[in-house]
Amino acid sequence: GENVEQHPSTLSVQEGDSAVIKCTYSDSASNYFPWYKQELGKGPQLIIDIRSNVGEKKDQRIAVTLNKTAKHFSLHITETQPEDSAVYFCAATSGTNTGNQFYFGTGTSLTVIP
Amino acid sequence: GAVVSQHPSRVICKSGTSVKIECRSLDFQATTMFWYRQFPKQSLMLMATSNEGSKATYEQGVEKDKFLINHASLTLSTLTVTSAHPEDSSFYICSANGAGRAYEQYFGPGTRLTVT
Repeated sequence: GENVEQHPSTLSVQEGDSAVIKCTYSDSASNYFPWYKQELGKGPQLIIDIRSNVGEKKDQRIAVTLNKTAKHFSLHITETQPEDSAVYFCAATSGTNTGNQFYFGTGTSLTVIP
Repeated sequence: GAVVSQHPSRVICKSGTSVKIECRSLDFQATTMFWYRQFPKQSLMLMATSNEGSKATYEQGVEKDKFLINHASLTLSTLTVTSAHPEDSSFYICSANGAGRAYEQYFGPGTRLTVT
């Protein structure tokens, strides 16, 4: 089965700096890679995703890059703000239909210091 | 769009009682719903996958007689924790995907269960 590893487990950055979180996956059949933000006591919120036919996707201050050959993908947050502080999870899945299991990373606790 | 709700958000029950958690997709039809359990500072652990009108598929190690899942309609799935014990205390989260959202899973806000 799929194995997703996520690094670092904790990350502290100064407000305005960039933050990068990296994930690796093992199953070459995985073709969809979402990133979720989870605030304390709340459910995960989808913030950006990428499919295997794309190498990079950007949405304002957030971007995701995918290297299929190396089987890794990364989340980039620029101009960080205190409200970006949360736990971020990456995930990977394969298939073309609904109902496919997501394999989650272990999470990164991001703290943005004002 | 793609809003998933859960009810209740918090519940405290006594050991030995049963608790039902509802998960609803508010603006789309969820052909598949997932139930997760999350311990403090840990990742999400998939408990089971349910498709509307079918029996849920449970992950290895999850007791299907203890965690009853019903996906009776395209917008509602329920998780019932039967004969709850303190070790069942956890954060339970559902997610859903469906027609027109082939890949995405949208998560509910979670339910904090405390068994005393």
